[in-house]
Amino acid sequence: AQSVTQLGSHVSVSEGALVLLRCNYSSSVPPYLFWYVQYPNQGLQLLLKYTSAATLVKGINGFEAEFKKSETSFHLTKPSAHMSDAAEYFCAVSDKFGNEKLTFGTGTRLTIIP
Amino acid sequence: GAVVSQHPSWVICKSGTSVKIECRSLDFQATTMFWYRQFPKQSLMLMATSNEGSKATYEQGVEKDKFLINHASLTLSTLTVTSAHPEDSSFYICSAPMNFWSSGPYNEQFFGPGTRLTVL
Repeated sequence: AQSVTQLGSHVSVSEGALVLLRCNYSSSVPPYLFWYVQYPNQGLQLLLKYTSAATLVKGINGFEAEFKKSETSFHLTKPSAHMSDAAEYFCAVSDKFGNEKLTFGTGTRLTIIP
Repeated sequence: GAVVSQHPSWVICKSGTSVKIECRSLDFQATTMFWYRQFPKQSLMLMATSNEGSKATYEQGVEKDKFLINHASLTLSTLTVTSAHPEDSSFYICSAPMNFWSSGPYNEQFFGPGTRLTVL
């Protein structure tokens, strides 16, 4: 069974400050990991994904995440927050062997302080 | 990139009526689609897996007779909420996977924009 834990249901950062959203996973097989962003009343947009090609993954809108197997983590970061980054962020996991199902974390709401 | 659409984007209905939500993959074929439900300020919960040409697979606790799923073609899946009640009010999101290859095969999910259902 797989699971994802997102620490912090709400995170607030000042505009221009570092964004750090935490995600820890549990998986009995090598995982594929994803970060999605959701704006109000919209579907999910993929920010970035880890598929074992490289441990440091760069995504859209200046976000990146690092897969750390020893820590079972896949934290999302952005060096400088923009107002437009305010949204809900979800970490998700699927297994490596073609399983199409995604297991989502509970989400983190990011607020940007002007 | 791959696009998934949903129709309608929002619907309001009376208690006891049925509502049909469509999910379409616009530029790719999907033998499998997924239906999620999202309550306010909560995560997505997988309801069922829609399989083209066969019965849907429902997650534990989801009533198959209440949430009817039909995967009519390789680009269309429908979710019908039968005899809707206020507690069925939610945001329903579908997704469809595409196959990719990195160091091995994996699937990337493409999500529809969601349907807001309000049952009065």
